[in-house]
Amino acid sequence: SQQGEEDPQALSIQEGENATMNCSYKTSINNLQWYRQNSGRGLVHLILIRSNEREKHSGRLRVTLDTSKKSSSLLITASRAADTASYFCAPDSGGSNYKLTFGKGTLLTVNP
Amino acid sequence: GAVVSQHPSRVICKSGTSVKIECRSLDFQATTMFWYRQFPKQSLMLMATSNEGSKATYEQGVEKDKFLINHASLTLSTLTVTSAHPEDSSFYICSALWMGETQYFGPGTRLLVL
Repeated sequence: SQQGEEDPQALSIQEGENATMNCSYKTSINNLQWYRQNSGRGLVHLILIRSNEREKHSGRLRVTLDTSKKSSSLLITASRAADTASYFCAPDSGGSNYKLTFGKGTLLTVNP
Repeated sequence: GAVVSQHPSRVICKSGTSVKIECRSLDFQATTMFWYRQFPKQSLMLMATSNEGSKATYEQGVEKDKFLINHASLTLSTLTVTSAHPEDSSFYICSALWMGETQYFGPGTRLLVL
């Protein structure tokens, strides 16, 4: 498994604004997943994008994937205070062990 | 989406005692589950991969005799922290592999060892 590197490490915005966070990885992937973690809770799966996909939407979330640059971005539109959380990307290189390695994440704070 | 539960959500125990944490996949069968540990303000660290009907695979540096994992059914994996010490205090999170592709996580168990 390989670890994704999220950027920025912290992001503070006002409610209603859009939030963009980025993820870079090192080697080829089968898919890349984004997760959210609210303070003191488990991870919530947000979206999975496969290596042959360039963009995917889910509600207010938009994920892009650029395999040539080995990077992905997560855009949250019209942010809400409830979006305050840490966001992690998890690149999946495939293989039979299914392991994911998590980086430090992006801590998003949405101010009301 | 798939639902994974953990029990208990928090536990306080005395040093030297053992603590068992359960991880259940509620609406799907999971041949593979994972156990993570997370210290304050840090990311999740994978401890071990739990495979139904076989021995768990531990990550480097994780003591298998201290963190006993049993995956006895397709919906239940347990992690037992044996002879717990204050340095084992942490947030333990499990996940279950769905459709061989996506890990769905439990809500976590906060362990405090006094």
